[in-house]
Amino acid sequence: GAGVSQSPSNKVTEKGKDVELRCDPISGHTALYWYRQSLGQGLEFLIYFQGNSAPDKSGLPSDRFSAERTGGSVSTLTIQRTQQEDSAVYLCASSPSPAADTQYFGPGTRLTVL
Amino acid sequence: DQQVKQNSPSLSVQEGRISILNCDYTNSMFDYFLWYKKYPAEGPTFLISISSIKDKNEDGRFTVLNKSAKHLSLHIVPSQPGDSAVYFCAANFGNEKLTFGTGTRLTIIP
Repeated sequence: GAGVSQSPSNKVTEKGKDVELRCDPISGHTALYWYRQSLGQGLEFLIYFQGNSAPDKSGLPSDRFSAERTGGSVSTLTIQRTQQEDSAVYLCASSPSPAADTQYFGPGTRLTVL
Repeated sequence: DQQVKQNSPSLSVQEGRISILNCDYTNSMFDYFLWYKKYPAEGPTFLISISSIKDKNEDGRFTVLNKSAKHLSLHIVPSQPGDSAVYFCAANFGNEKLTFGTGTRLTIIP
């Protein structure tokens, strides 16, 4: 079956512009996560959606970052007024149920802010 | 505050030998540990996991050990060239976010 997909695979933008990154989770997965990996760093948690519950936004680094998940499926991560330190690979993962421990990752979106 | 630590950024192992990757954690609330493997330009793929109440889990060539306090290790034997990748240790409690280590780049030498 289809895995987690993300688009675009690469995004180059100018400092100050807004960007939107998209994630399509595995069909039927109720949990969705966003992480990012900056150069030389581990994966850093950003935000977590579980069903209809309020999202866990505790990992968002600033109020320039926001995410939504429409209809319990597709999610969009938006970064406003991008800065050079936002350059990273943004990874989306989904999980089949609240009781599941394993998260399945998409290929990521490489964001470069010039 | 790095709650999951992988202190070896890189490791080289001869093909056919055992690869041992280490992971230390500080948060005693973690109840599940996972290892992910990542190739360049791809997302991490799940490899093997272990509950905090278990001390060993095996899956083919891969074994994760949880026998020392706040320490895990991933054993790959025999190591194969296709095992060359970055390996991330991760931990969580409940169904919450994963906390990742910074990864170890494993290179298998033919």
